Amino acid sequence: GAVVSQHPSRVICKSGTSVKIECRSLDFQATTMFWYRQFPKQSLMLMATSNEGSKATYEQGVEKDKFLINHASLTLSTLTVTSAHPEDSSFYICSARGTSGSGRQFFGPGTRLTVL
Amino acid sequence: AQKITQTQPGMFVQEKEAVTLDCTYDTSDQSYGLFWYKQPSSGEMIFLIYQGSYDEQNATEGRYSLNFQKARKSANLVISASQLGDSAMYFCAMRPNPGAAGNKLTFGGGTRVLVKP
Repeated sequence: GAVVSQHPSRVICKSGTSVKIECRSLDFQATTMFWYRQFPKQSLMLMATSNEGSKATYEQGVEKDKFLINHASLTLSTLTVTSAHPEDSSFYICSARGTSGSGRQFFGPGTRLTVL
Repeated sequence: AQKITQTQPGMFVQEKEAVTLDCTYDTSDQSYGLFWYKQPSSGEMIFLIYQGSYDEQNATEGRYSLNFQKARKSANLVISASQLGDSAMYFCAMRPNPGAAGNKLTFGGGTRVLVKP
């Protein structure tokens, strides 16, 4: 099956710093990438959808200036959490979808962000 | 808008027994896809099974089968012969018109399964 990687897998940072999370599709071209956020014992909440070469579409309530998404190529999308605060601590998961078949989404392994 | 409901927040199952995880959905779309994912404690989302709304037969993948009842808008997951490694969170998800670019997955709240030896 298709592979999606995320880096880093875990990050701890001080309040006020920015953190960049990378999401890569390793063996297929991801025309669409999705970023999710998951709090402990809760479901995945979609933050934004990005298509290669265009601006991301953010879900209602998600601050676009806080969570910067760049989908510069068909294999790479980045999420930057700017001026992170403790309430931004969460599990962030990316997902990538190509154009073949049922349009199945493949998920990255997730990044656990802890803001001190 | 789509909505997915998983009414069982958690359940125990004896090893080697079967377990059914409930999932109901609400949509006005005629064409949609239903998915089940497993999320172990490591956090990765593992795809288990897919059912298209126009598929006439229930989907099966190894020990996983999907009991699709379109009129009742339910898509329950059945795991047969449970194993200790099946202990995880399970999410039901739906996407309208699966082939359309940009269409989003909507997830249910999840069911935590704990398999007892």
